[in-house]
Amino acid sequence: GAVVSQHPSWVICKSGTSVKIECRSLDFQATTMFWYRQFPKQSLMLMATSNEGSKATYEQGVEKDKFLINHASLTLSTLTVTSAHPEDSSFYICSAPRDTRTYEQYFGPGTRLTVT
Amino acid sequence: GENVEQHPSTLSVQEGDSAVIKCTYSDSASNYFPWYKQELGKGPQLIIDIRSNVGEKKDQRIAVTLNKTAKHFSLHITETQPEDSAVYFCAASKRAQKLVFGQGTRLTINP
Repeated sequence: GAVVSQHPSWVICKSGTSVKIECRSLDFQATTMFWYRQFPKQSLMLMATSNEGSKATYEQGVEKDKFLINHASLTLSTLTVTSAHPEDSSFYICSAPRDTRTYEQYFGPGTRLTVT
Repeated sequence: GENVEQHPSTLSVQEGDSAVIKCTYSDSASNYFPWYKQELGKGPQLIIDIRSNVGEKKDQRIAVTLNKTAKHFSLHITETQPEDSAVYFCAASKRAQKLVFGQGTRLTINP
């Protein structure tokens, strides 16, 4: 099956700093990638849809100036948490469909962000 | 938009017994219904999925049923094993579009 990687797998940063999370499709090109956030013992909540060559689409209630998404190439999307605060501490997961004709999405292993 | 409800939130069964998790969805246009298994600290892993043109799908000990009229779908795990213990999520989407997840079910298999 297709493989999606994320980097880093975990990161600790100080309050007020920014942190970048990468999501890569390793063996397919992804024109669309999705970013989810998961708090402890909760479900995955979609934050935004990352589109190669155009602006990301954010879900209601997600601050686009705080969570910057850049779909730099057909295999890479990045999520930058700017001016991070402790409440941004969460598990961030990306996914990507292999192509627009398929249904299955492939998930990355997730990135654990802790803001101190 | 789509809303997915999942029940129960926790489920404990004896090893060897069956486990059933149920989900309902609201958007009749949704046509893809995957089930994911998530272990602690890891991303979701697809275990089975079903499309709206199929009523049932089985893969060894795991099966999924879909009732489009009632807008609900269920995961069935038979002959449960300790390694089945995890959190299970249902989801709904349209092809290659965003997934809307249920709240999750923490399944515990008691030896």
